[in-house]
Amino acid sequence: AQTVTQSQPEMSVQEAETVTLSCTYDTSESDYYLFWYKQPPSRQMILVIRQEAYKQQNATENRFSVNFQKAAKSFSLKISDSQLGDAAMYFCAYKEGTSYDKVIFGPGTSLSVIP
Amino acid sequence: DVKVTQSSRYLVKRTGEKVFLECVQDMDHENMFWYRQDPGLGLRLIYFSYDVKMKEKGDIPEGYSVSREKKERFSLILESASTNQTSMYLCASRTPRIPTEAFFGQGTRLTVV
Repeated sequence: AQTVTQSQPEMSVQEAETVTLSCTYDTSESDYYLFWYKQPPSRQMILVIRQEAYKQQNATENRFSVNFQKAAKSFSLKISDSQLGDAAMYFCAYKEGTSYDKVIFGPGTSLSVIP
Repeated sequence: DVKVTQSSRYLVKRTGEKVFLECVQDMDHENMFWYRQDPGLGLRLIYFSYDVKMKEKGDIPEGYSVSREKKERFSLILESASTNQTSMYLCASRTPRIPTEAFFGQGTRLTVV
């Protein structure tokens, strides 16, 4: 069965600095999607970034980028120029390409931003 | 602006009560989901529905049931609430076209006493 692991329950970063959140996953599939979701204190889950497994190029969204290492089954999120509004729980998630719609979430990393 | 609305942000119920958690989406999405969120465990899928009156069990369906009579509404039912069902419940919806994201409600924090 597919699993998603986030080995860092909590992290902190100084405002304006860069932080990297780790995620590894386990699958035997070749067609899948990976996501990073953000859940701020308001509890509203928001999609941060998405990566298709068939794409070699790492996805980027403004200050957010990923390092997708398919062979190592690693999908880390880099946040550059951290802002106070980046403080949140971050969840890594996996979706099999052919599955009807089941998404598997990791346990989450709580990110604090220090002013 | 897309919207998934859960009927309550906070709910306190007694053990043994029948509990209904309601979720409504205004995006005409076919697929809807109920997740349970617990610290250190992330989000775990309880049930999902890919069409009206259709439902599929997720990873932790025991103690729960669902209802989807209309496309926009997906209800989670706790037939007889127990203290181990105290948790955060998140509803989500999406269209099945890959690779769209799921849109989440604001969550219901349920406490069973």
